[in-house]
Amino acid sequence: QLQLQESGPGLVKPSETLSLTCTVSGGSISSSSYYWGWIRQPPGKGLEWIGSIYYSGSTYYNPSLKSRVTISVDTSKNQFSLKLSSVTAADTAVYYCARHRIYYDSSGYISDWFDPWGQGTLVTVSS
Amino acid sequence: QSVLTQPPSVSAAPGQKVTISCSGSSSNIGNNYVSWYQQLPGTAPKLLIYDNNKRPSGIPDRFSGSKSGTSATLGITGLQTGDEADYYCGTWDSSLSAGQVFGGGTKLTVL
Repeated sequence: QLQLQESGPGLVKPSETLSLTCTVSGGSISSSSYYWGWIRQPPGKGLEWIGSIYYSGSTYYNPSLKSRVTISVDTSKNQFSLKLSSVTAADTAVYYCARHRIYYDSSGYISDWFDPWGQGTLVTVSS
Repeated sequence: QSVLTQPPSVSAAPGQKVTISCSGSSSNIGNNYVSWYQQLPGTAPKLLIYDNNKRPSGIPDRFSGSKSGTSATLGITGLQTGDEADYYCGTWDSSLSAGQVFGGGTKLTVL
């Protein structure tokens, strides 16, 4: 059974860089057809996709966060990571990692979904 | 402001049926597939529906999805108190600001 687990500091100072790692177990991060994504949820608010990466290193980023986000993958450790620079209080959120299926059907329509999800980790931005 | 619009809340009695709508545009729902997620209090979201109307293994057939034009709908029949949760729709937006997008979420209350 595929499982994902987020890890990293729970407190980050304003203007610094938030760094999180997601460890995948029960399956290979090098599986074809699947990306690996990061999603966040500010306290009491909705979900926001941050970005996703393929095992080859190909990435998709949320345009609104793209200038501050870097997602990388380490296939040898079955892990992928998130770095978000120049954080502010607005970046305080629960951060989730998830397997992200993205594919184009024969008509060019895009199918995507997240499954499974990690349990999430709360990151607070505060001095 | 979410790209996809959902009602903030819906409610119904146990045993009844409820529907949750998700409205978008031609650059997202109109030309891509929709997924739905259930988030029980204090837990991570869980995939309920993908490709508009397909259920992952283990999801009961009380949950259904449909899509028409630029809108999608999640249906839940035989409501149970355990269905009280936040529900989110999601899809890919193929506009210039391309990427995955979620609705703002709908809080389901089972009265």
